[in-house]
Order: sequence, then structure tokens, then C-alpha cells
Amino acid sequence: EDQVTQSPEALRLQEGESSSLNCSYTVSGLRGLFWYRQDPGKGPEFLFTLYSAGEEKEKERLKATLTKKESFLHITAPKPEDSATYLCAVQAKVFGQGTRLTINP
Amino acid sequence: EAGVAQSPRYKIIEKRQSVAFWCNPISGHATLYWYQQILGQGPKLLIQFQNNGVVDDSQLPKDRFSAERLKGVDSTLKIQPAKLEDSAVYLCASSGEDSLLTFGSGTRLTVV
Repeated sequence: EDQVTQSPEALRLQEGESSSLNCSYTVSGLRGLFWYRQDPGKGPEFLFTLYSAGEEKEKERLKATLTKKESFLHITAPKPEDSATYLCAVQAKVFGQGTRLTINP
Repeated sequence: EAGVAQSPRYKIIEKRQSVAFWCNPISGHATLYWYQQILGQGPKLLIQFQNNGVVDDSQLPKDRFSAERLKGVDSTLKIQPAKLEDSAVYLCASSGEDSLLTFGSGTRLTVV
């Protein structure tokens, strides 16, 4: 059974304080590791897709990396507008519980 | 490009009543998903359609939940009868060949 575990459940940072979110997964034959951002009252919004170990993708202050067992979402010098819940998913449809990120000004 | 449309936005019902949610996916997206998201948790897949056929409904409580996708476009998810634990946000998503999900804003269901 495909499984995804995210940590930490919640993370509070000061503006400009860099950190990483973790997504550990168990899957038979990875067909994509997806990162989404979810704002309160909205549906998740696509950020990145990673397919193979060693792959990296960047968008503004976010960088996603992938190994054979986990993915990291690195956030560099975050701003308050980066506050959201970040979700990862495997096989396009099995989601973790998310990390609720709060950036204080 | 228009997004995924869902209605209603909010719904409050009493337990044992029935409720239906509607979803219109992005034009041309063959795959449609319904998720249940309980507060503080990630989305849980209920059912996946490819065109108008069911691909995965392994986590759909079939004694009370049903879904259909007519003509491979719009979809309806129904709960009958509702229980208190069905209170959640019901998200619809669609995808094309890249499996990249585009979500609607969801329907927030409160069962009292």
C-alpha cells in the first residue's frame, strides 16, 4: 500500500529564516512525487513534480528535491505570503497529512 | 483556461439526510477525482474516474457514498444517509495526461 508521511505537522518561522519540510514515502514503482500548496478555504495548488532520485526543481523561494525514500521542500528566506499548508502526494493521488507553515513578519 | 468548478460552496444538513455535490472539470481532462479532506488532514481519495469509467473506488464507503460521471464530463458525488463523521471538505480535481491535479475550491459539508 502506498503511504506518505510528512513532518513536521506544523512549523513556525521568522521572516527570512530558511528551513526544510520532509515527505517520506513508501510506494511500489514511483510514478511521480507531487508538491502542492493549500491556502485556507481553497483547494491545493500544484507546485512541483519530481520523478527520479536526484531530481531538483525550483520556483522562487522554494526548491524540491527527491531521493529514493523521501522528498524535501526547502524554503529559502521565506516571506509571510509563503504561509500555507504544504502537501506532498505520490502516484498523483495518495497525499500526506501536510505541513502547516507559518511565517511571522 | 477555466478552473474546476464545484457547487455548492457550503452545505449544512442533519444526520441521516442526503446531500449531493457537483463538479465540472477542466475541459479536455479525462481523469476526475473526488477527495474528502477532514480538518487538519490531507486529502483522502474517494473515487477516481477515467472518462466515465471508475478506476479506483477502494476507499469509497459504498454503503452510503455514490458517484457518477455522465458522458465523461461533469460528476456528482452523493451521500445518503449522512453521518456526523462525514463533516469535511469535499474536493474535486481533474488531470490530463501529465497527472497534474487541478483542484476546485471544494464544498464544505457540516453534518449536525
